[in-house]
Amino acid sequence: EAGVTQFPSHSVIEKGQTVTLRCDPISGHDNLYWYRRVMGKEIKFLLHFVKESKQDESGMPNNRFLAERTGGTYSTLKVQPAELEDSGVYFCASSQVTGNLYEQYFGPGTRLTVT
Amino acid sequence: DAKTTQPTSMDCAEGRAANLPCNHSTISGNEYVYWYRQIHSQGPQYIIHGLKNNETNEMASLIITEDRKSSTLILPHATLRDTAVYYCIVRGYNDYKLSFGAGTTVTVRA
Repeated sequence: EAGVTQFPSHSVIEKGQTVTLRCDPISGHDNLYWYRRVMGKEIKFLLHFVKESKQDESGMPNNRFLAERTGGTYSTLKVQPAELEDSGVYFCASSQVTGNLYEQYFGPGTRLTVT
Repeated sequence: DAKTTQPTSMDCAEGRAANLPCNHSTISGNEYVYWYRQIHSQGPQYIIHGLKNNETNEMASLIITEDRKSSTLILPHATLRDTAVYYCIVRGYNDYKLSFGAGTTVTVRA
């Protein structure tokens, strides 16, 4: 069974540019989550999808970030325009059932560097 | 807003048991204790979780004190590949968010 995959693994962009990160969850997992770790800080929750619906986007830092999950399969996270403080590692995770019963499986992350 | 306290770092000898403590003195009755780890350049990996009873799986054992205010993750025979940051997370039954703190950096030495 394939795990959670993320693309690209690394991205280097200039301030003001746009970047789109992609996450493919484990097949059959309805729940998809985005987290990020910015430099020197802890891993923080960004948002949660159940199928194609956003359940909680309370962790999204501002309106420069837009997450979508068309058709309830893969998800994209767009940053537009990117700022220096957006640099960090963006993780995607998926799970079968919301809540405690099943653990979240994480992808390897996308390392974003904004220069 | 982490609900747990862990030591910043610890060393362990290869082949020996690694005992990772975690304090969660404000845990409520319906909250579970979860452990994840992050090996360098990888995403966090689930290890184990428990509510009241001690738990064991192929990776580790989790010992939760009777008052549930603290717990210990035990890696029975640490290997070099167990070098990672270990996170102790308190999570409610319906709480889908994982709140990562700073974790404990565990270095397994040959």
